[in-house]
Order: sequence, then structure tokens, then C-alpha cells
Amino acid sequence: VQLVESGGGVVQPGRSLRLSCAASGFTFSTSAMHWIRQAPGKGLEWVSLISYDGTNRDYADSVKGRFTISRDNSKKTLYLQVSSLSAEDTAMYYCATDREGGSFDFWGQGTLVTVSS
Amino acid sequence: SHVVTQAHSVSVAPGQTARITCGGDSIGNIAFHWFQQRPGQAPLLVISNNSDRPSGIPERFSGSNSGNTATLTISRVEAGDEADYYCQIWDAISDHRVFGGGTKLTVL
Repeated sequence: VQLVESGGGVVQPGRSLRLSCAASGFTFSTSAMHWIRQAPGKGLEWVSLISYDGTNRDYADSVKGRFTISRDNSKKTLYLQVSSLSAEDTAMYYCATDREGGSFDFWGQGTLVTVSS
Repeated sequence: SHVVTQAHSVSVAPGQTARITCGGDSIGNIAFHWFQQRPGQAPLLVISNNSDRPSGIPERFSGSNSGNTATLTISRVEAGDEADYYCQIWDAISDHRVFGGGTKLTVL
């Protein structure tokens, strides 16, 4: 199993980014997926979930209305569109596979988003 | 949604047993999961569903859940166990996942 995130970088407040997570080594099209973030020196925060077929999506209250999760099963890629960014969104963003029972099996190494003027 | 709390830090000498707890209100029948995160690395699942150990995780790692408190126990602690440990639950009503604040394990 391999998950490789990309798309992070330095972005000004109020701007947007699209994060990607390329998956391999498992059947991506049958796996629900998550985004989890970690601010520098802080703990883990669950961000968003998408079902295996993209029909169900959910978000943490802190990002609802600003972030959009999506997936392309033909490309085995998960996305997170992050908008209206503020300094509080500065974090390492990880993608992870869903594990039966409500947890996470495999994680990528993360992509860092820094919101700064 | 549920709030889960962890002690900020735990220290233990090599060879001893470390116990890391996670608690909260109204979480009596909720399953806890535990992650290890070494510096600069992604989290790694070490215990799922309160006490199941994923493939490849040493038997020194075990978990339990009693009432409103879940416990991750690491026996015969080694220097390589030094890491941050996070508990996590699934709020089935909201379908959200919730992490505890993390406990830093220091091996003396």
C-alpha cells in the first residue's frame, strides 16, 4: 500500500489549494478515504471522509463550507480542495485509508500547507 | 460530538511498563484505537477496536477499555517506543472521527 500526497505549499490567507493523494497497492475504488491534518507541534485532527464511490462525504466543523473532498477512482486519486485559508489551516495534511470499525489503516507521509502573507 | 482526553506526557525507564490512558464522558461502549507517531513520521496504528493488534505490531503493545477509560499498555519499553501516542474514536452518530490530544512517551 502506498499513499503519496502532493499539492501543498505556501499560500496567502484567503487563497485556495488542491491537495492530491495518489494511491497504489490496494483496491482504491472499494475503499473509503480520509484526510487528517496536524498543525506544527500539535495533535491530529480528522478533516474529512469520502465513501468508496464518492456519494457520501463529511467534514469536521472547522472546515465545513471551505473544504471539499473528492476522488477519481479511474485515476486512483483522492483530492481535497481547500479554500478561504487562514493561518489556522497551516498543517501537514495526511490522507489515510478507512479501516472497518471507524479507524485508519494506512497513511501517506503528508503534504505541508503553510498559510502566510 | 465526543471529547476524549489524554495526559500530556508519560515517562518510563527502559524495561518497565508504560500505561497511557484516554478518557471522556459518555464513551462507555465506544471502541478506542491507538496510534504511534515517531518524530517526523506519519502515525501508525498499533491497537484497533480496544485490544486488537494489527499485523506486525509487537506483542508488547496491548489495549483495554473499561468504563470511560481506555488504556494502551506497552510492556518491556524500549528506546524505540519513544513517540507521541494518540487515542481515537468513531462517533457513529455523526460519522466523525475524534482524536485525543496525544501523550508524549519519554523513555528515560
